[in-house]
Amino acid sequence: DQQVKQNSPSLSVQEGRISILNCDYTNSMFDYFLWYKKYPAEGPTFLISISSIKDKNEDGRFTVFLNKSAKHLSLHIVPSQPGDSAVYFCAASEINYGQNFVFGPGTRLSVLP
Amino acid sequence: ETGVTQTPRHLVMGMTNKKSLKCEQHLGHNAMYWYKQSAKKPLELMFVYNFKEQTENNSVPSRFSPECPNSSHLFLHLHTLQPEDSALYLCASSQKWPAVGAVQETQYFGPGTRLLVL
Repeated sequence: DQQVKQNSPSLSVQEGRISILNCDYTNSMFDYFLWYKKYPAEGPTFLISISSIKDKNEDGRFTVFLNKSAKHLSLHIVPSQPGDSAVYFCAASEINYGQNFVFGPGTRLSVLP
Repeated sequence: ETGVTQTPRHLVMGMTNKKSLKCEQHLGHNAMYWYKQSAKKPLELMFVYNFKEQTENNSVPSRFSPECPNSSHLFLHLHTLQPEDSALYLCASSQKWPAVGAVQETQYFGPGTRLLVL
């Protein structure tokens, strides 16, 4: 059973609009979360992270929101750009359990011009 | 350019072959990782090396044998693989494997080796 779920395999958004990518987790011990972006033929690249002591972290056009009670996090991209088209992976870990990140299956984002 | 390179990028091998995947990081990191990504499945951590010592082995079959001669290089030796081992194999590195309770380290990934076992 997957501990980190990304229930939308794909998402299409118009350029300039907001993209919202969702991630749900089942392990209440997870306390550190990351988003990675992956282009075809490249490895994942780190995008943004959040620890459980916060409920929001912002970096430029990217904002991650964490709702611990719902075991849900989301990545907002605004405004979306065609270069944001990629697969986005959510990952989670327990700080007290080393660096064993558990990854979600990914959501493919397509930003349409 | 992520600073983590992997060779080869593509590999086709038979079930009786022996091959090796190579990963090299130019970031001065001390921890290196092997991940497997099968089609439509999440990334799965296989092995972790911290300061050249293996610290994690996530129940990986013995037909996969890692080797870490130094902090910059990581190999994955493959022997008598099965068709279901066909996947994208990703290498990653980070500053270090953190102590319990320490802040997580961002991992930097290589481009991966796409492996097909016939």
